[in-house]
Amino acid sequence: GESVGLHLPTLSVQEGDNSIINCAYSNSASDYFIWYKQESGKGPQFIIDIRSNMDKRQGQRVTVLLNKTVKHLSLQIAATQPGDSAVYFCAENPHSGYSTLTFGKGTMLLVSP
Amino acid sequence: DAGITQSPRHKVTETGTPVTLRCHQTENHRYMYWYRQDPGHGLRLIHYSYGVKDTDKGEVSDGYSVSRSKTEDFLLTLESATSSQTSVYFCAISGGDSSYGANVLTFGAGSRLTVL
Repeated sequence: GESVGLHLPTLSVQEGDNSIINCAYSNSASDYFIWYKQESGKGPQFIIDIRSNMDKRQGQRVTVLLNKTVKHLSLQIAATQPGDSAVYFCAENPHSGYSTLTFGKGTMLLVSP
Repeated sequence: DAGITQSPRHKVTETGTPVTLRCHQTENHRYMYWYRQDPGHGLRLIHYSYGVKDTDKGEVSDGYSVSRSKTEDFLLTLESATSSQTSVYFCAISGGDSSYGANVLTFGAGSRLTVL
């Protein structure tokens, strides 16, 4: 719920702007990454994912960029809407093949009309 | 929430009492997980299951136990609740809207537990 947003970095944008949310991951061996969106009072929802053999993947209004050299992941949201206001988490799969995900602490996105 | 039901959604209990949270899925997925979410810590894995009667510990398993007697149900038990276990608990299952398969988690709506 609302307590998720405490202590989080916050990005404030105007409706219609493009948003970029960044994530630094920890394990250079991670081969798979996911972005989740969490609205207040709800569970995280899958947005988009990317494998380590790619550096860019596009979805509907969202793009994920992966820079393995600096262990950096970003989520770009085009034409941000008030409904995009939420906490966004990146997650990495720290081992090759199946394993449990490791989540970042999240960024809160606030979109003003 | 994609065939995942958590119960109860809200619970207030006292220190020292046992608590069981239930996760029920209708997706027939093999993998199920329990996470807790706290301000400043994000989502942390408590326990997970990779099949009936097959479970393993996550990074914050102390004070918690789990059981999975059927594919569709994954129970999280706090044998003697403490105030540090006040949190929002999320169940997740593997599978989702991706071509990459088992690593994508689908989450339930959460169970908010307050231990007084």
